[in-house]
Amino acid sequence: DTEVTQTPKHLVMGMTNKKSLKCEQHMGHRAMYWYKQKAKKPPELMFVYSYEKLSINESVPSRFSPECPNSSLLNLHLHALQPEDSALYLCASSPFGGPTVYEQYFGPGTRLTVT
Amino acid sequence: RKEVEQDPGPFNVPEGATVAFNCTYSNSASQSFFWYRQDCRKEPKLLMSVYSSGNEDGRFTAQLNRASQYISLLIRDSKLSDSATYLCVVAHYGGSQGNLIFGKGTKLSVKP
Repeated sequence: DTEVTQTPKHLVMGMTNKKSLKCEQHMGHRAMYWYKQKAKKPPELMFVYSYEKLSINESVPSRFSPECPNSSLLNLHLHALQPEDSALYLCASSPFGGPTVYEQYFGPGTRLTVT
Repeated sequence: RKEVEQDPGPFNVPEGATVAFNCTYSNSASQSFFWYRQDCRKEPKLLMSVYSSGNEDGRFTAQLNRASQYISLLIRDSKLSDSATYLCVVAHYGGSQGNLIFGKGTKLSVKP
């Protein structure tokens, strides 16, 4: 079973709101990722957690705050977002972390609209 | 030069056609290569990994040429359901944590 789940599927939030995106996998994968994807563009890496530690932060603004409570869960906390942050937010997982990169499996994404 | 470059497309082909996608990558140290497909407003799904010896999965054949830093995907007997964007993806090994580099994708539209 190569399933990554994400909630919510859709989210509309105002610029002063605080919300969280959730991601879960039960494949025993040890690397988890957050990506942002705008229409007609490829996914853009935001964060990587490897063995539950943040290992890559691609210069993402502090209004995005990731959290990895355990090896199966990944959250993305959102605060004071801008309309240009509207996008599809994808979570992915991979069997192992570290320098060797394995295939990644993506969740269905959360479609975020900031008003 | 972009790290991963693909044919921009779109490719519009009739059912039953054979279609080939090409991709080049700039980092000669890249070790792993993948093709993903992404349907409109959906997540990318792993189509196949690409191995040096080439590999086939049903109607899909992937080839890798390390000397030319070139990857290809061939789809035979196209089906309507093959309509999607195909993403060429290369693994980047950097420091203590690697990650994937995505091409911009090539859109395929298979018509009846």
